[in-house]
Amino acid sequence: DAGVIQSPRHEVTEMGQEVTLRCKPISGHNSLFWYRQTMMRGLELLIYFNNNVPIDDSGMPEDRFSAKMPNASFSTLKIQPSEPRDSAVYFCASSLVEHNSPLHFGNGTRLTVT
Amino acid sequence: QKEVEQNSGPLSVPEGAIASLNCTYSDRGSQSFFWYRQYSGKSPELIMFIYSNGDKEDGRFTAQLNKASQYVSLLIRDSQPSDSATYLCAVNMRDDKIIFGKGTRLHILP
Repeated sequence: DAGVIQSPRHEVTEMGQEVTLRCKPISGHNSLFWYRQTMMRGLELLIYFNNNVPIDDSGMPEDRFSAKMPNASFSTLKIQPSEPRDSAVYFCASSLVEHNSPLHFGNGTRLTVT
Repeated sequence: QKEVEQNSGPLSVPEGAIASLNCTYSDRGSQSFFWYRQYSGKSPELIMFIYSNGDKEDGRFTAQLNKASQYVSLLIRDSQPSDSATYLCAVNMRDDKIIFGKGTRLHILP
């Protein structure tokens, strides 16, 4: 099993630019989560999908952030326009839609906005 | 009250001793609980999960759950330097939202 695959691993961009983070969940998993991790705030849930449908996006910080899951094997998190305070590590994780199913994390994308 | 709370540490434990990590959660309807370990610069990796009240043991690790007190803990026996990491408590809330605590930094002293 290839695990959760995220790209890019590192992204450096200038303030105001659009940033797109990508995630391929584990095959067969039907739940996908996007988290953001910083030293100050820890691991924050941004949005999660069940069977490609967004269930809760209350963690998305503002309208500059959007996420899509067009099919079971791909999701994107977009920031437009990006700001320096968006600098963080963004993790994608997948699981089965069952209460007892743990999350499996990708390697994360380290985003730096200058 | 935060949804999932952990002491940030650092928690320093001598090598060979027992490390005790604690976590409380706010949603009484939460159904499953997870402990993840995260090394610096790496992604979280699952160590243990527990769903029922009581203890669950896996090698040197024991997870303990008390739903009445909304409390979950992780014990690490015979602590090794390689156990030095941040330990994250995660709770599956009643709506399948999985929330993490900020983590406890554990330092095993050689």
